[in-house]
Formats: sequence, C-alpha cells, structure tokens
Amino acid sequence: DADVTQTPRNRITKTGKRIMLECSQTKGHDRMYWYRQDPGLGLRLIYYSFDVKDINKGEISDGYSVSRQAQAKFSLSLESAIPNQTALYFCATSDSSVSGANVLTFGAGSRLTVL
Amino acid sequence: GENVEQHPSTLSVQEGDSAVIKCTYSDSASNYFPWYKQELGKRPQLIIDIRSNVGEKKDQRIAVTLNKTAKHFSLHITETQPEDSAVYFCAASMGGTSYGKLTFGQGTILTVHP
Repeated sequence: DADVTQTPRNRITKTGKRIMLECSQTKGHDRMYWYRQDPGLGLRLIYYSFDVKDINKGEISDGYSVSRQAQAKFSLSLESAIPNQTALYFCATSDSSVSGANVLTFGAGSRLTVL
Repeated sequence: GENVEQHPSTLSVQEGDSAVIKCTYSDSASNYFPWYKQELGKRPQLIIDIRSNVGEKKDQRIAVTLNKTAKHFSLHITETQPEDSAVYFCAASMGGTSYGKLTFGQGTILTVHP
C-alpha cells in the first residue's frame, strides 16, 4: 500500500552510527506510530504522535528519538545504534475518529541490521 | 500497562481443518481487540476486530469471540486454505486518549498444509 511509505527498506550499519528511518503518508491521517517487530515478541510500540505538536513515548523508547516534521512525516532516529536494535521497524498511521483511531495502516517496513 | 499473551506460538493444520488462536489481556479497561495478519515479507493488515460490547463477530471463514469476564479473546478460522498461512497478531486497546495505542501479542505462525 503506497499510502504509507518507509525509507530505507533495508539498512546495514555499524555499532555507534546514527540512523534515521523515515515515514511519509498520503492518507491524511493525524496519528502516526513507530513499532518494532522481533521474532517471538510481536510488535512493540516505540513512539507515537497524535498530531504535529504531540510526541509520546511507547513501551520501548529508550535509545530512540522521533521527529514529526509535518502531518505526513514521522521519522525515527537511533542516535548511536547498537546490535540489539537489529529488527524490522514499521511505521503506521490511523485517523482520529472514534471508529478509525484504532485501525492501523502499516508501511512496508524497514529492516535494520546493526553489526 | 496492558499486557497481551498469545498462544500458541506456532500452529500447523491440514487444509480444510479449523484453526484457533487465543489471547488473554490484563487491563479490564481495554475495549477494542483487533487481529492482524502478516504474510511472509509483507506488512500486517487488519482482518477482523471486535469491541467490548460484542461477544462474537464473523466475517466469512473467520470469527472472533470475546469473553470480557475472563479477559480473553480468540480467532477462529474455518475451512483453512494454504493462503491462510501467515503470522497472526492479536492486540488490545483502550478508548479515550489511548485510541490507536495497540498492545500486541507475540504472534502465531499458522501453517496450512495442502
């Protein structure tokens, strides 16, 4: 679904490097999220933003930061990458209506490997 | 915070059989329970959801049941087909300011053998 676009799709980096994963959406949704997927652990929420001026920590925010540059753009940064941040990262969006706020549209994912 | 446990972690069935995946949640304030399907190499996609004021919901071959008292909900797939093979995630969410914040289970790898 080209509505939620993540870049890069794959990235290999070294310990200590700064990494930015970017997400843009054309769905017009207010809410954006970053999730991390690890085998056997499901999807875990890193950060979320309900509008441009709103940033909130999720359950595993340590070692990550985010920026909501515009309604359509939400980026995730790893200031100093470490090997246990190797994972598949998903950006997701939802609207703010009562019926739609819980319905997430995911991007295609960004696979990050930290050596 | 909310905690969602999902079982089994892997499930293997023959084509045509039924498959059941179960989840339990910890926070009685949770009121929305979606199921997402993730095919190999693809993104998770919503397949069915249920709200706390409903006990059961069906959509063709899939159904979800909710037991609020016991704080568990289940996904039922009947007449399974090879294209049902995927990872399935349950999730829970509360309303109000928590809309959109989903807590996911660990996932179940379903394999349907032809």
